[in-house]
Amino acid sequence: GENVEQHPSTLSVQEGDSAVIKCTYSDSASNYFPWYKQELGKRPQLIIDIRSNVGEKKDQRIAVTLNKTAKHFSLHITETQPEDSAVYFCAASIKSDMRFGAGTRLTVKP
Amino acid sequence: DVKVTQSSRYLVKRTGEKVFLECVQDMDHENMFWYRQDPGLGLRLIYFSYDVKMKEKGDIPEGYSVSREKKERFSLILESASTNQTSMYLCASSSQGPTGQFFGPGTRLTVL
Repeated sequence: GENVEQHPSTLSVQEGDSAVIKCTYSDSASNYFPWYKQELGKRPQLIIDIRSNVGEKKDQRIAVTLNKTAKHFSLHITETQPEDSAVYFCAASIKSDMRFGAGTRLTVKP
Repeated sequence: DVKVTQSSRYLVKRTGEKVFLECVQDMDHENMFWYRQDPGLGLRLIYFSYDVKMKEKGDIPEGYSVSREKKERFSLILESASTNQTSMYLCASSSQGPTGQFFGPGTRLTVL
């Protein structure tokens, strides 16, 4: 089955800096790659996603890139703000069921 | 507004008890999922369902069962709760995929 690995497990940046979180997946048939943000005590929420026919997608300060050949995808957050502090999860999906990475705890220091 | 609700936010049960966790979605989604979330392990898929009365095992189905009698409702059952099932349980739903999932608020289950 699909296996998703996520790095780093923790990331601390200064406000205004960029943050990058990387994920790799094992099943080349995976074709949908969402990213979720989970704030403390809250439910995970979808923040951006990318499909396998696209190499890059951007939404304001957030961007995701996908390299199908290498089977990895990344989340880029620019101009980080304290409210970006949360746990971020990547996931990979073939049909409807998803497999998630272990999560990255991002801390943005003011 | 999309809504996924779970029957309890916090639950404390004794070892050996039968436990029911319920999830309801109001988006007419075909797919529903149960995950458990543990520190450092992310979200692990227990069971999922593509349609009413259909179920599929995820990666960690042992010790769990599910029921989906109506499209909007998906129940997770712990037949005989054990201490290693102490965890946060998250329900999610999605339309026919692959597409983003919408999560419920979670149920923090403690088994003593």
